[in-house]
Amino acid sequence: GIQVEQSPPDLILQEGANSTLRCNFSDSVNNLQWFHQNPWGQLINLFYIPSGTKQNGRLSATTVATERYSLLYISSSQTTDSGVYFCAVANAGNNRKLIWGLGTSLAVNP
Amino acid sequence: NAGVTQTPKFQVLKTGQSMTLQCAQDMNHEYMSWYRQDPGMGLRLIHYSVGAGITDQGEVPNGYNVSRSTTEDFPLRLLSAAPSQTSVYFCASSLQGHEQYFGPGTRLTVT
Repeated sequence: GIQVEQSPPDLILQEGANSTLRCNFSDSVNNLQWFHQNPWGQLINLFYIPSGTKQNGRLSATTVATERYSLLYISSSQTTDSGVYFCAVANAGNNRKLIWGLGTSLAVNP
Repeated sequence: NAGVTQTPKFQVLKTGQSMTLQCAQDMNHEYMSWYRQDPGMGLRLIHYSVGAGITDQGEVPNGYNVSRSTTEDFPLRLLSAAPSQTSVYFCASSLQGHEQYFGPGTRLTVT
């Protein structure tokens, strides 16, 4: 089945810094989503982005489907950005059956 | 809209007991799914449904049953709980498989 690898596994930032999180996947996909799990466990959908670029405030994401990777950019990080960021993908065989990476754990210090 | 709701928030079971985790959504989403999350891991798909009366297995379906009699509800049943089922369970819904919306989770401990 499709494999999803996220890097780095852990990241520590000072408030105000920028960061880039990466998601590599092993097969073609037609569904890719980024999620944030906050320290209280709540999962929030950040982007549905099987291809192209999207922006939402300080967050943006780019997926290059032909090269099998996606990037999540966080600019001017805030302490509320702390938590775990997950990438999840599905391929054309079943675009609802998401396969998840292990996540990037982000800590933003004041 | 309440979004996706799950009950209970916490549950402790003894080995061999049965229980049902409830999940409901009020967004008229046709797709619903159940995941489990274990420490240090991503989410793993247990079962999913693409509409009322239609369910299918995910990556880790053993020990769990589901049914989907209405668009709104998608309960997950543990027939005979085992310690290996200690986990946090999340329910999610989406429209046409796009952005998935998650419930707050149920933390289950099996002793």
